[in-house]
Amino acid sequence: AAGVIQSPRHLIKEKRETATLKCYPIPRHDTVYWYQQGPGQDPQFLISFYEKMQSDKGSIPDRFSAQQFSDYHSELNMSSLELGDSALYFCASSLRFRGTDTQYFGPGTRLTVL
Amino acid sequence: DQQVKQNSPSLSVQEGRISILNCDYTNSMFDYFLWYKKYPAEGPTFLISISSIKDKNEDGRFTVFLNKSAKHLSLHIVPSQPGDSAVYFCAASGASNTGKLIFGQGTTLQVKP
Repeated sequence: AAGVIQSPRHLIKEKRETATLKCYPIPRHDTVYWYQQGPGQDPQFLISFYEKMQSDKGSIPDRFSAQQFSDYHSELNMSSLELGDSALYFCASSLRFRGTDTQYFGPGTRLTVL
Repeated sequence: DQQVKQNSPSLSVQEGRISILNCDYTNSMFDYFLWYKKYPAEGPTFLISISSIKDKNEDGRFTVFLNKSAKHLSLHIVPSQPGDSAVYFCAASGASNTGKLIFGQGTTLQVKP
């Protein structure tokens, strides 16, 4: 079965640079979630989209923005990168966001900011 | 404020025995709970879930129990296998109507042959 695809899998950037992470949800899934997992921490919710509209926002810095496109893929744009942005970034997808729909996670993008 | 807590950072069990992973939550608005398994450098893999209208859900070797009055859930793995060794995350949703998950800190399970 098709899973959530994330690209790139690894990304190394310098401070103050920008990064774009991409997520391709499971076919027919209409909701995408972004999570950030720092070293030794649990995943923290960043932002979500349902039918291409932002549905919820968590602890996402103003330097970050995201969107969901007409083909349901999503991109997380990160600007003015800081050392503390180094983390694993997971995308998850589900079918509708009624609170009882299981989220399936991608393999993650490991971002390293030097 | 940690709304979902896994108080045991690690657990070690012998192959073939039962593994019991515990999770507590504080927000009574949560109405859907999930367990994920995670290997290093990989994304969380969905294992099993339970709705707040149930107190038990079983899928093969995995059973999740929910005690709403105690705001406690547990994952039982029987029999445990070495391939079960991973980090297990408890997650909850429903406090908002957007489905975002609130994760516990994770418990590292080691199953010894």
